[in-house]
Amino acid sequence: NAGVTQTPKFQVLKTGQSMTLQCAQDMNHNSMYWYRQDPGMGLRLIYYSASEGTTDKGEVPNGYNVSRLNKREFSLRLESAAPSQTSVYFCASSVQENQPQHFGDGTRLSIL
Amino acid sequence: AQSVTQLDSQVPVFEEAPVELRCNYSSSVSVYLFWYVQYPNQGLQLLLKYLSGSTLVKGINGFEAEFNKSQTSFHLRKPSVHISDTAEYFCAVTDISGAGSYQLTFGKGTKLSVIP
Repeated sequence: NAGVTQTPKFQVLKTGQSMTLQCAQDMNHNSMYWYRQDPGMGLRLIYYSASEGTTDKGEVPNGYNVSRLNKREFSLRLESAAPSQTSVYFCASSVQENQPQHFGDGTRLSIL
Repeated sequence: AQSVTQLDSQVPVFEEAPVELRCNYSSSVSVYLFWYVQYPNQGLQLLLKYLSGSTLVKGINGFEAEFNKSQTSFHLRKPSVHISDTAEYFCAVTDISGAGSYQLTFGKGTKLSVIP
């Protein structure tokens, strides 16, 4: 009953460091998503993968890259972290686009 | 482009009172609509969805929402709230016409505080 699993749950980085956020789903979903959540801003889509082998930019892709490693896994990479990327990051998945999305518990990322 | 406006950023309400959380969307095409709930330090959970059919949609935890196409609204209601309903609620819309991407657009959220 894991659903969508995100690792790590918390991370503190220094400006300029890189890191990869991991996401895995066990529901055999085709579509996966990365969002960031900032106070008063709702959720904003960073990147998504409509199906295995495809990725597309969302609303706020700058400073991020993604990899759809296989059907289960979708990672988000920050190549050179900036304080503006301090946020809570959520991974989600759905059977297909426009269907209800299932969310992980988030990664709380602070960049000093 | 589609957008979602949640008209109230915070809604305080006394326990056992009714509540309505308002959501309006802008889209000139057919849409699917969703309400999600987020409890502190957790991810979002689906409360209910409108895909087609009856405009009154019932969800989990006693919530319901009514789709009003002419007013482009999808307000969330509960007749009697509990302390455990204290959370942040997000309205979301997706265009299903095929003219654009099928991605969800979220509102900025409404924080519901239930007062004992």
